[in-house]
Amino acid sequence: AQSVTQLGSHVSVSEGALVLLRCNYSSSVPPYLFWYVQYPNQGLQLLLKYTSAATLVKGINGFEAEFKKSETSFHLTKPSAHMSDAAEYFCAVRFNNAGNMLTFGGGTRLMVKP
Amino acid sequence: DTGVSQDPRHKITKRGQNVTFRCDPISEHNRLYWYRQTLGQGPEFLTYFQNEAQLEKSRLLSDRFSAERPKGSFSTLEIQRTEQGDSAMYLCASSPDRGGLRNQPQHFGDGTRLSIL
Repeated sequence: AQSVTQLGSHVSVSEGALVLLRCNYSSSVPPYLFWYVQYPNQGLQLLLKYTSAATLVKGINGFEAEFKKSETSFHLTKPSAHMSDAAEYFCAVRFNNAGNMLTFGGGTRLMVKP
Repeated sequence: DTGVSQDPRHKITKRGQNVTFRCDPISEHNRLYWYRQTLGQGPEFLTYFQNEAQLEKSRLLSDRFSAERPKGSFSTLEIQRTEQGDSAMYLCASSPDRGGLRNQPQHFGDGTRLSIL
């Protein structure tokens, strides 16, 4: 079955430190990839999407993600964490044989320590 | 662009009651999606419309769940005879149909949180 795995349900970093949130998918054919952020009691906000034009994708709020086909990964990074980055982050995949539905990972809660 | 709007934001009801949620998509978006999100989990796809046509409904959780989009604009999701396990956040999303491009992101509303007493 096609799946999306986010390693680490909770990640804690200090303010100013590097943020790395991991996402792996199971598919032999590169799918369409997205990262979303969710603040408490809100819906999901798009951070970035993979377009196949470039393997390194830049998004909003200083986040970026790198697509690595050989590793079936799409990890999210940010060079320097801010307190306002504390939220839940979801990797989402539109697999090629799954119509228009998105399959989400279980999410990673990012905590930022002062 | 006023975003995806969902109503109500919160719904508390007794087990066995029927509930209906409404979603108004971004005006130029002809695709509309419903997801369910339980505590600590990622959203789970339920169903999808293109204009008024419901193109995917096999993922609806049971025959107690149904969705409509009668005029291709707003949509409703109904749950009949609610059960404790239906307690969750119900999210609606919309996206444009741009020449079959498959990397169009889905834009989400703030959801309706359902609590079953």
